[in-house]
Amino acid sequence: DAKTTQPNSMESNEEEPVHLPCNHSTISGTDYIHWYRQLPSQGPEYVIHGLTSNVNNRMASLAIAEDRKSSTLILHRATLRDAAVYYCILRSQGGSEKLVFGKGTKLTVNP
Amino acid sequence: ETGVTQTPRHLVMGMTNKKSLKCEQHLGHNAMYWYKQSAKKPLELMFVYNFKEQTENNSVPSRFSPECPNSSHLFLHLHTLQPEDSALYLCASSQDLAGSYNEQFFGPGTRLTVL
Repeated sequence: DAKTTQPNSMESNEEEPVHLPCNHSTISGTDYIHWYRQLPSQGPEYVIHGLTSNVNNRMASLAIAEDRKSSTLILHRATLRDAAVYYCILRSQGGSEKLVFGKGTKLTVNP
Repeated sequence: ETGVTQTPRHLVMGMTNKKSLKCEQHLGHNAMYWYKQSAKKPLELMFVYNFKEQTENNSVPSRFSPECPNSSHLFLHLHTLQPEDSALYLCASSQDLAGSYNEQFFGPGTRLTVL
């Protein structure tokens, strides 16, 4: 699986938008971009995934660069409950079932 | 509540003890996974099961012995562990092994301390 690079930590204020970046310059054409997050004292949970087009769901939006070498997870209005470690993961279509976790970005949300 | 439960949530054991971790999923999934999360380290995949058959062992020491009696249950049997095995052990499940879009659902984990 191709590697991703994320900042170690980010801070945001409550009710403000948060943009979490992820670089994946070695992404292949069949790699999907997945985001998971891990709240304190819990297991990871799926957030969103995409291939080429931007994606929206009830939790977040995923903006994918035109060359697919980077992506951004967008939380439109951060809440205290969004404080977590966010993981950007590449998974090959039809390939490994593994989720290869990096260190992720620890998001702190200030009240 | 993710539909994946793990028991116990916390476990303290000595190096000579034998204990088991249990995972149960109520999602009708066919694939189940064990992950290890040590302090200051990323999550590491340990084992993968699909339709009760082990499909991956990620070079895990034999003191960890998985068991999958059916698609809904997964166990991790522990014996003669070392203090460095202290970690959060996470179970996950997914519909199947299709990688590209197959969401994994995680349990809350078992916090294991080996004395």
